[in-house]
Amino acid sequence: QQQVKQSPQSLIVQKGGISIINCAYENTAFDYFPWYQQFPGKGPALLIAIRPDVSEKKEGRFTISFNKSAKQFSLHIMDSQPGDSATYFCAASMAGGFKTIFGAGTRLFVKA
Amino acid sequence: SQTIHQWPATLVQPVGSPLSLECTVEGTSNPNLYWYRQAAGRGLQLLFYSVGIGQISSEVPQNLSASRPQDRQFILSSKKLLLSDSGFYLCAWSVLQDTQYFGPGTRLTVL
Repeated sequence: QQQVKQSPQSLIVQKGGISIINCAYENTAFDYFPWYQQFPGKGPALLIAIRPDVSEKKEGRFTISFNKSAKQFSLHIMDSQPGDSATYFCAASMAGGFKTIFGAGTRLFVKA
Repeated sequence: SQTIHQWPATLVQPVGSPLSLECTVEGTSNPNLYWYRQAAGRGLQLLFYSVGIGQISSEVPQNLSASRPQDRQFILSSKKLLLSDSGFYLCAWSVLQDTQYFGPGTRLTVL
């Protein structure tokens, strides 16, 4: 119930295409859903986050879509660029909790 | 602004040797602190977290230990390293259940 399931494990997209990464959770107590981006040899960094009171959040080329009834959320990267090539982690946490539950990660490669 | 430091950046140690990795946070008070390990090409494994000085919670029983001697200092230790301890060690901080801010990491190779 504490898991966050992420797919796909890896993704290859052409430059200019749309990258889509999906995550699903079971615990309805989760109320904060961030996405992290990690480049090789670096620590993960917050990319974008959403709370369940909204169904979508957009920041530049990055959009989170959130489906509370299905307990699913996804990251869409529009106009994907080679510089977006990285590992992406979805995550979930809850008020009063001290831990963030991370998905297994998706390695994205954007072909030039 | 807040900053998180980790050192050393890379470390090569023989099997059976001790380990001490240090993490310090600047610009915030009473943060939650975390140690994660990431195997090559894999996800983030939570090892320890701390919600205050001297308060350590262990997620994975193994030959590693953690200590928090000061509010913004978190130390990961081992008395005897195993080959399986190799990996990328990440320290992170957060306030309440909000965003986690990761340090630059320490690449540990045990030979």
